[in-house]
Order: sequence, then C-alpha cells, then structure tokens
Amino acid sequence: AQTVTQSQPEMSVQEAETVTLSCTYDTSESNYYLFWYKQPPSRQMILVIRQEAYKQQNATENRFSVNFQKAAKSFSLKISDSQLGDTAMYFCAFGGSNYKLTFGKGTLLTVNP
Amino acid sequence: KAGVTQTPRYLIKTRGQQVTLSCSPISGHRSVSWYQQTPGQGLQFLFEYFSETQRNKGNFPGRFSGRQFSNSRSEMNVSTLELGDSALYLCASSLSTSSYNEQFFGPGTRLTVL
Repeated sequence: AQTVTQSQPEMSVQEAETVTLSCTYDTSESNYYLFWYKQPPSRQMILVIRQEAYKQQNATENRFSVNFQKAAKSFSLKISDSQLGDTAMYFCAFGGSNYKLTFGKGTLLTVNP
Repeated sequence: KAGVTQTPRYLIKTRGQQVTLSCSPISGHRSVSWYQQTPGQGLQFLFEYFSETQRNKGNFPGRFSGRQFSNSRSEMNVSTLELGDSALYLCASSLSTSSYNEQFFGPGTRLTVL
C-alpha cells in the first residue's frame, strides 16, 4: 500500500515571496504519477501540477514547480511570487496502478499581505 | 465544457437514515471516483467505477455502496447513517482507463448526520 506524508500542517508566507511545501511518499511501484492539488476555502479541489515518475525533468506550471527526487521518494512544491489567492489547503497525492489517489493530510498555506 | 457536478450540495440527515448522493462527470469521462473528506481522517478513497464496473474499493463498511450508469453518471449510497459519516463527499472524474490520469473534482456534497 502507498502512503503519502506531508509533515507541515500549516505554513505562512508573505505576498511575493517564495515558499516550499514538502511531501514524501512510499511505494513499491516503479511507474506512477504524483500530484499537487489545491483546495481553497470554496472547497473545490483544483490540480496545481503533476509529475510522471519516469520523467527526470521536474514539472513546472507558471509560478508552481516541483522538486522530484525519485530515489528519496520526495516531491516538494515550490510556489514563487506568492499571491493572496494562493491561500488554500494543498494536498500531495499519489496515483498508481490501482485506480485511486492516495492523499497526504494536507498543508494549510496562508499568504499574508 | 461543464465540470463535474454533484447533487445535492448540502444534506442533513439523522442517524439510521440512508442517503443517496449523485455525481455527473465531465462529458466523455468514463471513470468516476468517490472520496470522503473529514478533518480527522483527511481524504479517503471510497470506490472507483469505469464503464459501470467497480475497479477498486476503499476500506469502508458495507453500508457504503455505489454504482455507475451507462451514461457514466454515478451514485453513492450510505445506509444506516452514523454520526461519523458526517463529511464532505467528493466525486472525481477522469478521461482515461489508466489510473495515472488527472482526476477532476466536483464541488462536493456536505453531509451532516444529526
């Protein structure tokens, strides 16, 4: 069974600064995807970024990028130029071969003006 | 293209009752998954359906059941409700037969059991 661990229950950052959210996972599978989802106070889960395990290159989506370390089973999310609208709960998720996502407990990120 | 829709958005029930939640996936998506979200347990996988077949089921009691119709719409049912069933129930749909694809989530149904 897969496990996903987010060790930072809460984080805060000043507007325009950079913040990194941590995620580690455990699996015996060799082919899988990793995701970061964002859940703002409106509760709608939105995909932020995804990474295929077989790709060496780290994924990037505008201000969001990941640092994927496959051997260390680490998948951190970096948010650059933080904006007030980035305030949300962020979930790291693992997608393997069993048709489900396994989520971490989440990190509540607050962006302060 | 319309997103994943869930009905109802809010529901209040009493212990012992049963409830049915509905999910309409994005047009063309054939995979539908259900998750339960609570403050204590976080997001937990309930089940996944593809072309009316359940492909995976989470570790929930038999009171939780689901089904998928030929138009890919899905329902989940919870019988004999308990206080601990109070949660946000999220439905997600996906395009591919593969579990590796992105899942698109609906707004959720907030269930309160009194």
